[in-house]
Amino acid sequence: GQQVQQSPASLVLQEGENAELQCNFSSTATRLQWFYQRPGGSLVSLLSNPSGTKHTGRLTSTTVTKERRGSLHISSSQITDSGTYLCAMSGGSNYKLTFGKGTLLTVTP
Amino acid sequence: NAGVIQTPRHKVTGKGQEATLWCEPISGHSAVFWYRQTIVQGLEFLTYFRNQAPIDDSGMPKERFSAQMPNQSHSTLKIQSTQPQDSAVYLCASSLVAGGSTQYFGPGTRLLVL
Repeated sequence: GQQVQQSPASLVLQEGENAELQCNFSSTATRLQWFYQRPGGSLVSLLSNPSGTKHTGRLTSTTVTKERRGSLHISSSQITDSGTYLCAMSGGSNYKLTFGKGTLLTVTP
Repeated sequence: NAGVIQTPRHKVTGKGQEATLWCEPISGHSAVFWYRQTIVQGLEFLTYFRNQAPIDDSGMPKERFSAQMPNQSHSTLKIQSTQPQDSAVYLCASSLVAGGSTQYFGPGTRLLVL
């Protein structure tokens, strides 16, 4: 079945530093979606793009479909960015999302 | 727009009892998905509907789990004879169309089976 690997598993940054989160998937994706989740909180959709680069605020998502990888760049990290970032993909005519295990981001003062 | 609504937010059942979880998708969305989240397994797909029709239930445990979507405004996930290993957060998501659309998630129902 489809598999999604995220790295790093955890990341600690100082406020103001940039973060680069990676996502690799095992089959051709038609959509890659990034989510944010606080402990015990809801899944919040951040960005969704099948290929290329997409920006919103301080977030940039880049997906290279042929190489089966994607990344999420967070610029000028803030303490409130702390939480888990999840990558999910779907492929072909199958619209269910397969999730990675997430990257736990901690931003310190 | 209230987002995806899930009820109850928390449910505690005894082993062997039945649990019914409810989901109200975003108005106008034609696809509804169910997932569950545990610490060990992470997020796993269960089943999805498009225009109320069941499309893929490949993630559903076959014997005790069932899902329905009787109308476009709600879906239910029923677990019969609940077991401790069913304890998880059950998440419902909806999207405008099934493919190529962003899925929006509800807050989840936290199920604890004692």
